[in-house]
Amino acid sequence: GAVVSQHPSRVICKSGTSVKIECRSLDFQATTMFWYRQFPKQSLMLMATSNEGSKATYEQGVEKDKFLINHASLTLSTLTVTSAHPEDSSFYICSARIALQETQYFGPGTRLLVL
Amino acid sequence: KQEVTQIPAALSVPEGENLVLNCSFTDSAIYNLQWFRQDPGKGLTSLLLIQSSQREQTSGRLNASLDKSSGRSTLYIAASQPGDSATYLCAVRTNDYKLSFGAGTTVTVRA
Repeated sequence: GAVVSQHPSRVICKSGTSVKIECRSLDFQATTMFWYRQFPKQSLMLMATSNEGSKATYEQGVEKDKFLINHASLTLSTLTVTSAHPEDSSFYICSARIALQETQYFGPGTRLLVL
Repeated sequence: KQEVTQIPAALSVPEGENLVLNCSFTDSAIYNLQWFRQDPGKGLTSLLLIQSSQREQTSGRLNASLDKSSGRSTLYIAASQPGDSATYLCAVRTNDYKLSFGAGTTVTVRA
């Protein structure tokens, strides 16, 4: 089946620094990638949708200047958390979709801890 | 806005017992509903996907039903095993391939 990887799996950073998370589709071309955020014991919340080569579409309440998303190729999307603060600590999950297919394939997630 | 609710939030059963997990959603105009499994600190594994025109889907010991008009889905897991311990998430797709997730039901199967 289709595989989506994320890197890093865990990251700890100091408050005020920026962190980049990569999401890769390993064996397929992803026309659309989604970024989700999950707090403990809560549901996944969609942050943004990105299509290859175009600007990401952010959900209401998500700061686009804080969560920078780049989808430069059909196999790679990156999420950069800029000037991270402790409240940004969360589990970030990406998913990828192939054009004209229903299924989203999810990555293993990245645990971010901001001190 | 689509709201997805899962009840109960947590469930603990002895091995061998059947599991019943409930999911409800507020907007019945859905394309499909999907059940996922999430292990602690891990990503999501898709279990079953039910199209809006379907009433149920089955895979091995898993069976999911969908009543779109009443906004409900139920996941049945037969003869539970300790390996079934995980969090089960329900998600509905409404449009633009966006998924709205419930908060999940955390299942513990005691050996």
